[in-house]
Amino acid sequence: QKEVEQDPGPLSVPEGAIVSLNCTYSNSAFQYFMWYRQYSRKGPELLMYTYSSGNKEDGRFTAQVDKSSKYISLFIRDSQPSDSATYLCARARYSWGKLQFGAGTQVVVTP
Amino acid sequence: KAGVTQTPRYLIKTRGQQVTLSCSPISGHRSVSWYQQTPGQGLQFLFEYFSETQRNKGNFPGRFSGRQFSNSRSEMNVSTLELGDSALYLCASSPGRGDRLIGEPIHKQETQYFGPGTRLLVL
Repeated sequence: QKEVEQDPGPLSVPEGAIVSLNCTYSNSAFQYFMWYRQYSRKGPELLMYTYSSGNKEDGRFTAQVDKSSKYISLFIRDSQPSDSATYLCARARYSWGKLQFGAGTQVVVTP
Repeated sequence: KAGVTQTPRYLIKTRGQQVTLSCSPISGHRSVSWYQQTPGQGLQFLFEYFSETQRNKGNFPGRFSGRQFSNSRSEMNVSTLELGDSALYLCASSPGRGDRLIGEPIHKQETQYFGPGTRLLVL
């Protein structure tokens, strides 16, 4: 069993819909939780990060961490075709130089 | 600033050979991490170098090794290639801890900037 579980999808939604992505994890000794976006033939790029539990909002994106349930979520409001990509959850203890990633969920937003 | 560059972008090797991949971090960044990405296993951490020292290591066999030079450029080497080594190898750089200012948000020093990767095919 992987330490960070993520449904690989694909997840197909119509333009304007809310995209809901989730990860579950084992071992609570991690403080930082991130979401990365990876376009085809590109490296991942950091979207958002959260320290410990709580919510964080950035424009159309909201990240949630529930440490009691060991659950990480990302919501994308008013989704656009340009949001079509693979979204990876990740976590780190203290230094971000060693990240543990989920498998990544492929999201397709159809016009 | 120029982004993280990786060379070569594509590589074909045969089983038993060895390969060296190169990563040039963003100017001023001192930390370089390497990851292997495959459809089955996703992104898996290989190792991290900071100021020419290996700071973290993942669960890969000793055939996988790396090093970092004084200019922060990094190389990784895979010896005795196996079919299962076919993957996208990504490197990421960050400024790294060391001179973080008090009260400075952590992402200023720790955010990993990924390169486009080297796609290795082992036949």
